[in-house]
Amino acid sequence: GAVVSQHPSWVICKSGTSVKIECRSLDFQATTMFWYRQFPKQSLMLMATSNEGSKATYEQGVEKDKFLINHASLTLSTLTVTSAHPEDSSFYICSARVGEQPQHFGDGTRLSIL
Amino acid sequence: QKEVEQDPGPLSVPEGAIVSLNCTYSNSAFQYFMWYRQYSRKGPELLMYTYSSGNKEDGRFTAQVDKSSKYISLFIRDSQPSDSATYLCAMRGRSGANSKLTFGKGITLSVRP
Repeated sequence: GAVVSQHPSWVICKSGTSVKIECRSLDFQATTMFWYRQFPKQSLMLMATSNEGSKATYEQGVEKDKFLINHASLTLSTLTVTSAHPEDSSFYICSARVGEQPQHFGDGTRLSIL
Repeated sequence: QKEVEQDPGPLSVPEGAIVSLNCTYSNSAFQYFMWYRQYSRKGPELLMYTYSSGNKEDGRFTAQVDKSSKYISLFIRDSQPSDSATYLCAMRGRSGANSKLTFGKGITLSVRP
């Protein structure tokens, strides 16, 4: 149980385009979803926290207009990287949690901006 | 001082060895303690989850939490090449800013056949 599906797993696109990443909790209803960014050989950096039906709470230094988060249902959250540039290239990982249970993570999305 | 300190490694052991991974922390509000395993280019996979102090065993894995010393450990018995991965400790409190997961930097383990 506790499966989190993230799609796509890898995307390459041109500078200036927008990219949407989906995160779904497949077998549970997540009260909270999280988006992380991970640079090579580093730990995960929290970008934002979102609760279903509420606006996301962004961490300090994360541009909310650049990284749009929508949490439309208890099983789906999306992250849209708007007008992506090469410096946005990274590994993005979502996770989901029910109440006080531990977080479960998706398999991540490798984003490469040319 | 970082909130969570984890030995940076890397760590290389022969197959069959017992592996001990450790983290220390400074925030006394932390109550939930987790160990995640992350393979290259994959998301973290939950290995062990402990609430408050105590031991928990699951197959070859044992997690220990000592809140008085602010120290957590993960033991892997009879290590296998398939255990080669990065191991992240993570912890959080119940509410507010403490409810966000705080990770250690991760340690890369290599189990040699």
